[in-house]
Parts: sequence; structure tokens; C-alpha cells
Amino acid sequence: ILNVEQSPQSLHVQEGDSTNFTCSFPSSNFYALHWYRWETAKSPEALFVMTLNGDEKKKGRISATLNTKEGYSYLYIKGSQPEDSATYLCAFNAGGTSYGKLTFGQGTILTVHP
Amino acid sequence: DAGVTQSPTHLIKTRGQQVTLRCSPISGHKSVSWYQQVLGQGPQFIFQYYEKEERRRGNFPDRFSARQFPNYSSELNVNALLLGDSALYLCASNRQNTDTQYFGPGTRLTVL
Repeated sequence: ILNVEQSPQSLHVQEGDSTNFTCSFPSSNFYALHWYRWETAKSPEALFVMTLNGDEKKKGRISATLNTKEGYSYLYIKGSQPEDSATYLCAFNAGGTSYGKLTFGQGTILTVHP
Repeated sequence: DAGVTQSPTHLIKTRGQQVTLRCSPISGHKSVSWYQQVLGQGPQFIFQYYEKEERRRGNFPDRFSARQFPNYSSELNVNALLLGDSALYLCASNRQNTDTQYFGPGTRLTVL
């Protein structure tokens, strides 16, 4: 059974703060790591797909890094805004016969206070 | 372009009943996956279908079944419903051999 862990479970920050959270995943049989943002009553929105060790991806104020050797990824939000409030999910995609089957962490709930 | 759509939005059933959930993928996407999300947990993989065939199956009992139609839409069926089947059921689609799965808004199933 694959174990994907996210920390912290929840986070409250003030508008303008920068924040980061962690996703831990198995370091063996790695194919890809996904990040999603999920706002209440909406569909999960794909943020990044990361496949190479050392990958860094950026989308506006949000960026992510990947370390496949030690099995972790960080998601950073610079200058948080209230509209960043959402649940952030990471999902591990193993290779081989498990390709395409995403194993999700439990998510980090971010609340940005104005 | 329209995103992934799911119907119905909400559903209430009683124990022992059967339910069918529907999903229409993004145009051009041939792969559809189903996930179950219980409150406080991340989504759990149920099935992946590609070109009308089951490609991957998660750790769910045989009460769960699915199919994919020639237009690539999909149905998820759950028989003999249990209280523990109450959850949000998410459908996702992707193109062949690409990694990003695009999710629909889900169907909220409540079993009483």
C-alpha cells in the first residue's frame, strides 16, 4: 500500500504571508507527482505535474519543487491572497502496472485571512 | 471547451439499493478514472478505463463496477449500498499517455 502524506493538515495565514507545505511519497517506483488545488464546491484544478528529480515548476505566485531520491515535494505560495484559500492535494503516480492510478495525500487546507 | 461533467450532483439512497453515476470526459480524452473521496481523506482510486476497457482497478469490492461507452463517457455502478459508501465520487479524464487528469465536480452520494 502506497503512503502519501501531506503536512500540515491545515494552515491559517494572513494576506501577504508566504507559505509552504510538504508532500511525502515513496522514493521507489516513481513516475510523476501531481499537485491540485481544490476550492469548495468546485472541481480539483491541476497545478503541476512533476517528473524529474530537481524539477521546479512555477505558476504565478505558486511554485513547487521535487526531490524523488528522498521522496518529497514542496509547494510554495508567495504573498498569499484570500483567493488562494483551498485544499491543496498532492498525488503520486507510480510507474509500471500502476501508471495512471493516482494515490492522493489527505490534503492541506489553507485559509488566508484578509 | 467544456470540462469534465458529472451527473447527478447529489443523490440520496438507502442501504441495499443500487446507484449509477455518470461522467462525460473532456472532448478528445479517451481515458476516464473514478475516485471516491470520504470526508477528511484524499480521493481513492477505484477504476481507470481506456478505449472502453478496464485498465486499472483499485482496492474496492466487486459491488463496484464501471463501463465506458463508444463516446468515452462512463458510468460507475455500486450495488448493495452500505452506509460506508457515502462519499463524493469524482471522475477524471485525460488524453492517451499524458499524465494530467482533469477532474469533474463530483457526485455527492448519501446512503441512509
